[in-house]
Amino acid sequence: EAGVVQSPRYKIIEKKQPVAFWCNPISGHNTLYWYRQNLGQGPELLIRYENEEAVDDSQLPKDRFSAERLKGVDSTLKIQPAELGDSAVYLCASSLVRSSSTDTQYFGPGTRLTVL
Amino acid sequence: QKEVEQDPGPLSVPEGAIVSLNCTYSNSAFQYFMWYRQYSRKGPELLMYTYSSGNKEDGRFTAQVDKSSKYISLFIRDSQPSDSATYLCALGGNNFNKFYFGSGTKLNVKP
Repeated sequence: EAGVVQSPRYKIIEKKQPVAFWCNPISGHNTLYWYRQNLGQGPELLIRYENEEAVDDSQLPKDRFSAERLKGVDSTLKIQPAELGDSAVYLCASSLVRSSSTDTQYFGPGTRLTVL
Repeated sequence: QKEVEQDPGPLSVPEGAIVSLNCTYSNSAFQYFMWYRQYSRKGPELLMYTYSSGNKEDGRFTAQVDKSSKYISLFIRDSQPSDSATYLCALGGNNFNKFYFGSGTKLNVKP
C-alpha cells in the first residue's frame, strides 16, 4: 500500500516569494493534516481536514498561509509571501476516522522549505 | 507551559543496551499515547500506540503509561544501531484526531 506522498521534497526560495506544497494521502483516508516541524521540535498542527472541510485551522497563520483539499483527496498548502521564519519541514499526515473508531496518523516524508 | 515535555537528549548508548525514553504531560484529558520514530530527513513513523494506562509490548519495544503521574515511557531492549533516530511522543485527548507532540529525543546507538 502506498504511503502519504508529498512534493516537492525540498524547496529553496527567497523571502516574499510564494510557495506551494502538495500532498496525496493514503487511499481511503478521510482526514488529512498539515504540520510544521521546526528544527529540534515536534510537529505542530497547522490545519486538519475531514473530507473537504477544514475542521481545525486555529494554528494556521491566515494572513499568509492558505490550504485547500478539493474533492476530499489531495491537498495543497500555500504560503504567500514567505518569510525567513517559515523555514521548516512541512509534514502531511492522513488517517481514517469513523464515528465508532479512530486510527492513528500516518506521515509523509515532508517538504523541507528554506527561505533565504 | 507546553502540553508535553520531552528531554531532547541526545542520548548515546552502546549496542545491546536498554534504552528508556520518557515524556511528561500536564493535561489529564489525554487518553491516547503514541510513540513515533523519525529518521533524519524522513517523516515520523508510528512505533507504538496505547490507550489509557498500562503496558504494551511489541518485539523489543515496550510502552508504559502512568496516567496518575502523567508520565509515559518507551523502553527499547537490545538496542541496535538501526534504532538511532529521534523518538517523538504524541498524546491525544477526547478529540483523538488532535495530537500534541513532544519535541523529540535524539537517540544514538553505537556499534
